[in-house]
Amino acid sequence: RKEVEQDPGPFNVPEGATVAFNCTYSNSASQSFFWYRQDCRKEPKLLMSVYSSGNEDGRFTAQLNRASQYISLLIRDSKLSDSATYLCVVRRRGSQGNLIFGKGTKLSVKP
Amino acid sequence: DAMVIQNPRYQVTQFGKPVTLSCSQTLNHNVMYWYQQKSSQAPKLLFHYYDKDFNNEADTPDNFQSRRPNTSFCFLDIRSPGLGDTAMYLCATSRVGSSTELNYTFGSGTRLTVV
Repeated sequence: RKEVEQDPGPFNVPEGATVAFNCTYSNSASQSFFWYRQDCRKEPKLLMSVYSSGNEDGRFTAQLNRASQYISLLIRDSKLSDSATYLCVVRRRGSQGNLIFGKGTKLSVKP
Repeated sequence: DAMVIQNPRYQVTQFGKPVTLSCSQTLNHNVMYWYQQKSSQAPKLLFHYYDKDFNNEADTPDNFQSRRPNTSFCFLDIRSPGLGDTAMYLCATSRVGSSTELNYTFGSGTRLTVV
């Protein structure tokens, strides 16, 4: 079983749609959680950290459930520019900053 | 601007011909990482340097080696590239001990093609 698993996708949605990404992690020692965005042939870029209390950044909302080892990302009012691959990422407790990436879910927002 | 720079951006090498990818940083971060990302797959950590200490992931093939001659530079050496090593190689840095999510920085990657 992979340490970080995500919806396989791809998600094809119209502009303005709300889209949700789900992620589960297997290592209970995971300490920190993130969503990264990766455009085609580019490096991953941090979208947002994920906190136990849930957090929001504009149209983006992230949730963490430690008991279920589940992470989510909600994008409201999706834009064409949101088209990218969204990577769920965890950092293990005690690791030297090592990030473990999920495979990513590709999102295509259509006009 | 402080940043992580990878060279070259694109590299084509022949099967079995050793190749070296480079990464430099001006952030003075104490940790440097190398990730391999194959098409449509997750970035996979190969190894990292914590200061001068080398830390290899258990499943990283022996064919992959790394050097960190000083704080600023880190190299990825592939001794005998195979066709399956075609991938994007990402270098990243961070300063362990502070809020990682604020300073984890990726380079733009080197896209390696083995022919």
